[in-house]
This record gives sequence, C-alpha cells and structure tokens, in this order.
Amino acid sequence: GAVVSQHPSWVICKSGTSVKIECRSLDFQATTMFWYRQFPKQSLMLMATSNEGSKATYEQGVEKDKFLINHASLTLSTLTVTSAHPEDSSFYICSVRTGIHTEAFFGQGTRLTVV
Amino acid sequence: GENVEQHPSTLSVQEGDSAVIKCTYSDSASNYFPWYKQELGKRPQLIIDIRSNVGEKKDQRIAVTLNKTAKHFSLHITETQPEDSAVYFCAAYYDKIIFGKGTRLHILP
Repeated sequence: GAVVSQHPSWVICKSGTSVKIECRSLDFQATTMFWYRQFPKQSLMLMATSNEGSKATYEQGVEKDKFLINHASLTLSTLTVTSAHPEDSSFYICSVRTGIHTEAFFGQGTRLTVV
Repeated sequence: GENVEQHPSTLSVQEGDSAVIKCTYSDSASNYFPWYKQELGKRPQLIIDIRSNVGEKKDQRIAVTLNKTAKHFSLHITETQPEDSAVYFCAAYYDKIIFGKGTRLHILP
C-alpha cells in the first residue's frame, strides 16, 4: 500500500487568514489525490480531485477560489483554505489511490479550527 | 453522479451478536466497493472490499456481499467485540470514491 503523510495534524487560525495543508505520498508517485472534508459526526465529503500538473477538479458546491489546490509534483498536493472563517472549521483529509479500482490510502487528517 | 445511501445511521448490538450494515449505490458503472472503519479523530481504515465480479467475500469475522443487479452491498460482522465499536463507512467508486453517511456501531457489554 501507499504511505500518505498529511501536515499539519491540527491547526488553529484566526478568521480571515489562510491555512495551507500538505499531503505527501511517501512511497508512491500519485498522479491523482483526493481531498475530503468531514464535519463532526458526518461522512467524508469529496471536495476535489487533485491532478498532477493540471487544474484540480472541484465537486459541485465547493468554491475553487476559497479552497486552492496545487499538485505540483507526483508526491505532493496542497490545499489552501483562503480567508478562513469559523464555518470552515472541519477535519480535512487527503487520499491517494495506487491504481484503477483499488483501495485508497488516507493521510492522518488535519483538524482546522478557525477562531 | 454517484450517490451512496447507508443504513442504519446508528446500530447497537449485544457483544457476541452479529451486526449488518447496508448500502445502495446509484451509478451502475461503479465496480469497487470498500468498507472503512473510522475511530474518533483518526483516518479511515479499510477493513474489507469487494469488486463487481464477486458476489461475496469473507475475512474472519467480517464479510461483504454484493448484489449488482439491485445495486446493494452489505457488511456483516459476526461475534462482535467491544473493539468493533466505531463508525463504519461504505463507499462506491468508478473514478472517485463516494462515501455513505456512516453507521455508528455500539457494542453493548
């Protein structure tokens, strides 16, 4: 399987500031990574598909200008929450799929709290 | 797009009894169906998966069944133990993973 490392594991920021979350595939070159958001006691909601070297594909209802995704290399995708507000407080988690129709491997997640 | 429905949202079973969680999906092109277990504050962990060319798969106390015609798949946990208490998510995918809303499983002593 793939080892996926996400950083930071938690962050507290002030309202209006931006926060960058990193997702690294440590042992696998990932052309595609997925970003999810999970609110307390809810499911993982797919936000966007990050594609290496090209623009991310966002799910309906996800603001691409607010959640900036950069997948500049085969091992790193970043999610930047811009101008964060308290309602953006959530658990953000990335995943990597190692092949077509195979299991996904998840990062450890980032708990974002906006105060 | 794909939609995955999961039931029940909460399930309490006596230790030693069986637990069953059911899911339906909408996209007939989906051909991979994983089940994840998530403990509080942690990442989801794959517990079992099934591909569309298989009707049933078993791994010790855990089994998954798939009915492609009806677009149903189910998770079965037998001889439940306290450590089985967690949230379980089903998922379906063709080109991206879509999760069900989750089932909070409580194992009662």
